Amino acid sequence: QTVVTQEPSLTVSPGGTVTLTCASSTGAVTSGYYPNWFQQKPGQAPRALIYSTSNKHSWTPARFSGSLLGGKAALTLSGVQPEDEAEYYCLLYYGGARLFGGGTKLTVL
Amino acid sequence: QVHLVESGGGLVKPGGSLRLSCAASGFTFSDYYMSWIRQAPGKGLEWVSYISSSSSDIKYADSVRGRFTISRDNAKNSLYLQMNSLRAEDTAVYYCVRDLGSGGGIDVWGQGTTVTVSS
Repeated sequence: QTVVTQEPSLTVSPGGTVTLTCASSTGAVTSGYYPNWFQQKPGQAPRALIYSTSNKHSWTPARFSGSLLGGKAALTLSGVQPEDEAEYYCLLYYGGARLFGGGTKLTVL
Repeated sequence: QVHLVESGGGLVKPGGSLRLSCAASGFTFSDYYMSWIRQAPGKGLEWVSYISSSSSDIKYADSVRGRFTISRDNAKNSLYLQMNSLRAEDTAVYYCVRDLGSGGGIDVWGQGTTVTVSS
């Protein structure tokens, strides 16, 4: 059974930079897995941030960027704001199926 | 403005059935793949199923295959999820999402409808 793994939690200071990663149990994550990233705040539906590794939606703040890093998909937040405190989920495509990672709880402190 | 509104959630006994609906507006529904994604209480996101724009391509997660059926009515701009043989572990908020496929990703989410399976 394929598993997508994210850091359970990370802490960052306001104004700082943090990188969240997304790994696949099948091996290195490549652009062929079309990584997506989503942000979810308590009590809200998730919001899409990044698709196909590094592409931003029209509403995605410039401080969010996606990439591939060391065989994983990565989401980097630069100049973190207090409102970025949230749960972040990655999604990978495995042919027709899609699999989410378990999520990373980002604390801004 | 693109809008997705789910309905049909509720309390159902184990073994029972429920049909979820999703009303789409603000875009040409028939041009897009659509998916259902769920989130159990206090847990992460789980992709459930997708359907292509013409209904010719459908996929399910292993956890629901054989019990859930996704469908759509492009004339009514609506997406459906028929859920049979429900189990306690199907308890979750179910989200309807616009799915642009691997190249475009998932972009728009509904607010979700809650399904509770309990005796």
